[in-house]
Amino acid sequence: AQSVTQLGSHVSVSEGALVLLRCNYSSSVPPYLFWYVQYPNQGLQLLLKYTSAATLVKGINGFEAEFKKSETSFHLTKPSAHMSDAAEYFCAVSVSQGAQKLVFGQGTRLTINP
Amino acid sequence: EAQVTQNPRYLITVTGKKLTVTCSQNMNHEYMSWYRQDPGLGLRQIYYSMNVEVTDKGDVPEGYKVSRKEKRNFPLILESPSPNQTSLYFCASRGAGGPYETQYFGPGTRLLVL
Repeated sequence: AQSVTQLGSHVSVSEGALVLLRCNYSSSVPPYLFWYVQYPNQGLQLLLKYTSAATLVKGINGFEAEFKKSETSFHLTKPSAHMSDAAEYFCAVSVSQGAQKLVFGQGTRLTINP
Repeated sequence: EAQVTQNPRYLITVTGKKLTVTCSQNMNHEYMSWYRQDPGLGLRQIYYSMNVEVTDKGDVPEGYKVSRKEKRNFPLILESPSPNQTSLYFCASRGAGGPYETQYFGPGTRLLVL
């Protein structure tokens, strides 16, 4: 079964520092991977997705993620954190059979310190 | 504007009182799905629909019903709500291309069952 593990339920960084949110996946087939962001009291918004076209994926708001098959990872990074990046971030893998659902990680809450 | 809408956004009810949460999308998407979000568990799929009159159970379907009589609408029905259904609910939709397609999420419905 496909699954996702996000390491760290809370991450805190200073404004201007590197943001690194970790995601590892488990999949017996080539995965489709997604990062979503949830701002307070809002729905989920797509940041970026990996669909096998390129291993380094650029998304919105300066975020990017690199697919590493050997490490089964899809970590999310941003070179310089901004106060507006404070939110909860979810990594998800898309199940390609049956329900064709998104299987989500537990989420990582990102806090930005001034 | 392409969007998924949900109503109501907030709902407080009592055990056993039937309720319906509506979901509508204006993107002509075939696939629609309901998720619930609980702290530390991420989002889990409740039910999904591949097209009109085609619905199936997700991972946590107990206590819920759905229907898909029109392509744009996918209501979630709780016939006899219980306190363990207190949660944040999201409706999502995507096109028929496959699991690599982006799922678009509604703003969420926060439900409290007393």
